[in-house]
Amino acid sequence: DVKVTQSSRYLVKRTGEKVFLECVQDMDHENMFWYRQDPGLGLRLIYFSYDVKMKEKGDIPEGYSVSREKKERFSLILESASTNQTSMYLCASSLPVISGNTIYFGEGSWLTVV
Amino acid sequence: GESVGLHLPTLSVQEGDNSIINCAYSNSASDYFIWYKQESGKGPQFIIDIRSNMDKRQGQRVTVLLNKTVKHLSLQIAATQPGDSAVYFCAENRGSGGYQKVTFGIGTKLQVIP
Repeated sequence: DVKVTQSSRYLVKRTGEKVFLECVQDMDHENMFWYRQDPGLGLRLIYFSYDVKMKEKGDIPEGYSVSREKKERFSLILESASTNQTSMYLCASSLPVISGNTIYFGEGSWLTVV
Repeated sequence: GESVGLHLPTLSVQEGDNSIINCAYSNSASDYFIWYKQESGKGPQFIIDIRSNMDKRQGQRVTVLLNKTVKHLSLQIAATQPGDSAVYFCAENRGSGGYQKVTFGIGTKLQVIP
């Protein structure tokens, strides 16, 4: 079974703090993704990566950056957390088939910015 | 179908009855579709998928139907059980600029009445 592991399930951070959300997958997937999920808005793509050291902006990249130094690890960084970044963050991975492949999700990280 | 707003559409079903959850997708170029189940406090979990060259696919207690003419997808759950209570959402995939472009619906909440 595919395993996508998000190291932090629940975090509370102060406004202006730098926040790191870590994600590791064990299926040698090329693609990795970071989404945020908010009530009524569904899943919105922040950033994705299709290879080590490669990254592409998703639909809502503002206020975020990412790092992919190793194939299995994809980190989401909030340089200066703000209250509107309070959300559930989901990491995901998939194989790189253009015509579509299942995206597997982690269990989510609940971030509260106070 | 899907709706935009703060409140998820909700489907209440008696235990043992069949459930039908609907999804209207937006892009006629989408060629791969997935249904996910998300239980409270957890990440989305893959249920079943279907490619655009099919109109029906069956799994264990679940069936997905695809109508490309009206861009409609449905998930049927047979003999619904309390453990089926969750939010269900669809995802449509298509190739875009060399990448996999995935769009998620906001979901439908399924409540199973014992």
